Amino acid sequence: AQSVSQHNHHVILSEAASLELGCNYSYGGTVNLFWYVQYPGQHLQLLLKYFSGDPLVKGIKGFEAEFIKSKFSFNLRKPSVQWSDTAEYFCAVNGGTTGANNLFFGTGTRLTVIP
Amino acid sequence: KAGVTQTPRYLIKTRGQQVTLSCSPISGHRSVSWYQQTPGQGLQFLFEYFSETQRNKGNFPGRFSGRQFSNSRSEMNVSTLELGDSALYLCASSLAALSGRNNEQFFGPGTRLTVL
Repeated sequence: AQSVSQHNHHVILSEAASLELGCNYSYGGTVNLFWYVQYPGQHLQLLLKYFSGDPLVKGIKGFEAEFIKSKFSFNLRKPSVQWSDTAEYFCAVNGGTTGANNLFFGTGTRLTVIP
Repeated sequence: KAGVTQTPRYLIKTRGQQVTLSCSPISGHRSVSWYQQTPGQGLQFLFEYFSETQRNKGNFPGRFSGRQFSNSRSEMNVSTLELGDSALYLCASSLAALSGRNNEQFFGPGTRLTVL
């Protein structure tokens, strides 16, 4: 079965600090990888996605993520966070080879950015 | 283009009752998935419907069921409610039922169910 681990439960940063949120998944086949963000009181929104090709993917709002297949990781990064990045971040995976559309989510990382 | 809509947004029920939640996908989207979000378990997949057929099912008891109509709208039903069913229920729609390059899932605002 697929599983996703997010090791950081709560991260607190000052504005302009750099961000890296860890995500590891457990799945032997081809996977599609996603990072979603949930701002307070808002819907889950897609930040970025990886299906194949360049392992460094860029998303919205200056976020990027790197897929490292050998480490089963898909860490999210942002060079300089803003107060408006305060939100909960979820890593998710679905199985490319199975064709299944359902997402397996990590437990989420709450990011608090202090002005 | 209107997003995924879910009704009602908030619901309070008592143990033993049943509840029906509704989801209208983005126009043109034929796949609808349901997820349960709780502080303890996080986001967990319930089931997915495509062309009125359940294609995938998560690890939830039979009290949780769903259906999809010909216009792709979907409903989920929970019977004999338990306190532990209190959660945010999210609906997501996508173009197709198979994962792939362009098959992003778009989430609705959710229905907050409280079971007393």
